[in-house]
Amino acid sequence: EAAVTQSPRNKVTVTGGNVTLSCRQTNSHNYMYWYRQDTGHGLRLIHYSYGAGNLQIGDVPDGYKATRTTQEDFFLLLELASPSQTSLYFCASSDMATNSDYTFGSGTRLLVI
Amino acid sequence: GQQVQQSPSSLVLQEGENAELQCNFSSTATQLQWFYQSPGGSLVSLLSNPSGTKHTGRLTSTTVTKERRSSLHISSSQTTDSGTYLCARTGANTGKLTFGHGTILRVHP
Repeated sequence: EAAVTQSPRNKVTVTGGNVTLSCRQTNSHNYMYWYRQDTGHGLRLIHYSYGAGNLQIGDVPDGYKATRTTQEDFFLLLELASPSQTSLYFCASSDMATNSDYTFGSGTRLLVI
Repeated sequence: GQQVQQSPSSLVLQEGENAELQCNFSSTATQLQWFYQSPGGSLVSLLSNPSGTKHTGRLTSTTVTKERRSSLHISSSQTTDSGTYLCARTGANTGKLTFGHGTILRVHP
């Protein structure tokens, strides 16, 4: 079954720590996205990608890097984690041709202490 | 200002009642989508409706593009419909979704 799988499901790290969130999709979609969800702000786009090796800056990119190593795999990197990055992170993929058929992963809860 | 606004922010129903959720967006959308987020946090796509009326099961979405608004009608609500309903628009030439803050729906038995 086509899906978007995120790992880990939960993560705790200390301020200044290094965190990598992983996302793999089996939808054969070209587009992949990283969002964060916070109370009072809703879902906000961090980075996205049109395909392997491509990276586009989203609406809240500060403090985050991302890398799309293959069509299937998209990583979000926090190299110096801060408490303000405590959030629920979602990865998603979508079909390029129709700009639809969005599939979201189950989310990663990150706590930076 | 916020590009996607949803109303009401929350809604409480008795099982069997209908719900009408509203979404207004500040610029023309190439796609207008409705998502459901469960109380556990998982997100699923409900309907993609850039214009006109679409139905799926007990859900009906009507989008009037030139008025920059969309609605989601849930008929005969069930307790399992409880959760957050999110509206999102996609801009031209990108797949980027801009989300509203959602409507929290609670359906009591």
